Amino acid sequence: DAGVIQSPRHEVTEMGQEVTLRCKPISGHNSLFWYRQTMMRGLELLIYFNNNVPIDDSGMPEDRFSAKMPNASFSTLKIQPSEPRDSAVYFCASSFRSFLATANYGQYFGPGTRLTVT
Amino acid sequence: RKEVEQDPGPFNVPEGATVAFNCTYSNSASQSFFWYRQDCRKEPKLLMSVYSSGNEDGRFTAQLNRASQYISLLIRDSKLSDSATYLCVVTPSGGSYIPTFGRGTSLIVHP
Repeated sequence: DAGVIQSPRHEVTEMGQEVTLRCKPISGHNSLFWYRQTMMRGLELLIYFNNNVPIDDSGMPEDRFSAKMPNASFSTLKIQPSEPRDSAVYFCASSFRSFLATANYGQYFGPGTRLTVT
Repeated sequence: RKEVEQDPGPFNVPEGATVAFNCTYSNSASQSFFWYRQDCRKEPKLLMSVYSSGNEDGRFTAQLNRASQYISLLIRDSKLSDSATYLCVVTPSGGSYIPTFGRGTSLIVHP
């Protein structure tokens, strides 16, 4: 398996522009997470999908951020309009969650998108 | 109290040393526990799960103490390549199943 795939790997854009980050989770995983990481705030969960349905988006900073998961193999995170404070590394992670079992499984992260907004 | 707390370090140890990290959690209903490793400018990578009975993977040993609500990671015979940030993750039972990450502990292994 190729693992979690994210694109682009790097994005430099000007303030006010729209940014779209993409993620392909590991095949067979039913949970997908978007995170943002900065030195100041560490790793922050933005949104969590289970079976393509958003379960918790309380971490989404504001209305400028939106995320979709139209099918089990693709998700996007969009920032419109972007601001310099959005500069961070954005990670997508996937995992398998079985509601029939008590055990949870670890997450597998993509390589991240390094976003710089000038 | 933060949900998951770790000593940020850095832990600076010589090659061959044994080093241990602890991670405390506040939710007594927590169910699943993991250690991740993150290298500089890279993504976190799953290192190992932590089972109630404790588990070992080569030079790495993970333990869980539910009574005191902490997990630990022991690294024996440290290698230069072990230098990284180690993140602990705690997932609650039921509910939204949202894992909580600690801020990480930095390890530097020097020659």
